[in-house]
Amino acid sequence: GAVVSQHPSWVICKSGTSVKIECRSLDFQATTMFWYRQFPKQSLMLMATSNEGSKATYEQGVEKDKFLINHASLTLSTLTVTSAHPEDSSFYICSARAAGQGKGTEAFFGQGTRLTVV
Amino acid sequence: GQQLNQSPQSMFIQEGEDVSMNCTSSSIFNTWLWYKQDPGEGPVLLIALYKAGELTSNGRLTAQFGITRKDSFLNISASIPSDVGIYFCAGQTSSGDKLTFGTGTRLAVRP
Repeated sequence: GAVVSQHPSWVICKSGTSVKIECRSLDFQATTMFWYRQFPKQSLMLMATSNEGSKATYEQGVEKDKFLINHASLTLSTLTVTSAHPEDSSFYICSARAAGQGKGTEAFFGQGTRLTVV
Repeated sequence: GQQLNQSPQSMFIQEGEDVSMNCTSSSIFNTWLWYKQDPGEGPVLLIALYKAGELTSNGRLTAQFGITRKDSFLNISASIPSDVGIYFCAGQTSSGDKLTFGTGTRLAVRP
């Protein structure tokens, strides 16, 4: 199956600093990537959808100036958490989907990034 | 955002037992997906369902797309310890659209 890689797997940062998380599709071109946030013992909540070469579409309640998303190439999307605060501590997961797959459009997920803000 | 309701919320079963969990929605989905998530990992796709009434198997797993398109169930037969994890359903309204995830069912298996 398709491989999606996230980096880093975990990160600890100080409050007020910014953190960048990378999501790469390793063996296919991803025209669409999705970013999710998952708090402990909860489900995945979609934060934003990014299409290569265009601005990301954010879900209601997600601050676009705080969670910067860049999808500059067909294999890489980045999520930058700016001015991080302890309440931003969470598990961030990306998924990637290739274009023109017809029925096989379910996205493949990265392994996630555990962010802890201290 | 909208969430799909999964039940049961958690299950603790004996190895070898069969497991059944379901997912319901107040709105229609055209695709239903079932994922398993291990601790500290991203979800992994188990089964995808594309047609109302469809019944699909993947090894010991069987899932069905409800006829009303508002529900789906997942069965696991002869459970083993490595089945432990959280199972999520996800619905999609149209091809290429975003996924809406269920609340999850946490499965524990006693050897």
